[in-house]
Amino acid sequence: AQKVTQAQTEISVVEKEDVTLDCVYETRDTTYYLFWYKQPPSGELVFLIRRNSFDEQNEISGRYSWNFQKSTSSFNFTITASQVVDSAVYFCALRVGAGRRALTFGSGTRLQVQP
Amino acid sequence: GAVVSQHPSRVICKSGTSVKIECRSLDFQATTMFWYRQFPKQSLMLMATSNEGSKATYEQGVEKDKFLINHASLTLSTLTVTSAHPEDSSFYICSAPRLRGLTPDTQYFGPGTRLTVL
Repeated sequence: AQKVTQAQTEISVVEKEDVTLDCVYETRDTTYYLFWYKQPPSGELVFLIRRNSFDEQNEISGRYSWNFQKSTSSFNFTITASQVVDSAVYFCALRVGAGRRALTFGSGTRLQVQP
Repeated sequence: GAVVSQHPSRVICKSGTSVKIECRSLDFQATTMFWYRQFPKQSLMLMATSNEGSKATYEQGVEKDKFLINHASLTLSTLTVTSAHPEDSSFYICSAPRLRGLTPDTQYFGPGTRLTVL
């Protein structure tokens, strides 16, 4: 069975601060994919990143960066110089194998960026 | 790019009535679609896997007679909440994966349907 843990339920920061959202996953499969999604108040999921288990390279996209470490089964997400528009719930998710499989989501972290 | 739509986006109904939610893949065929449910301030939980041409697969604890799934075509799956009760009030989200050969599929999520049962 797969499991995704996001221990931080809610984080509040002041604008321009950096913030890291933690994600720890569990799976026995050697082939898996990790995702981060943003869910603003509208509810629609916004895809942020997908990373497969064979690619441990960290990735940076603008103010967003991701740190994937298989040794600790973690896939953390950092927002640099946070902005009010970053306020949302962020979900980490896991999918094992390729093909038509569903995602297992973490419980989500609610990020509040104060002006 | 590929888009998945859901209709309606919001529905309010009386207890005891049935509600149908549609999920469409707009520019690709999806032989598989997934239905998730999200209660307020909670995570997305997989309810069932909808398969075109065969019966849906339900997750443990999800009543198949209450949540009827019909994958009518390669671009449409419907979820019918039968005899809805207030505890069925939730945010229902569908997703559809599009295979790209040997590379991992890209999964697209619909915008969700907010169901309120009075």
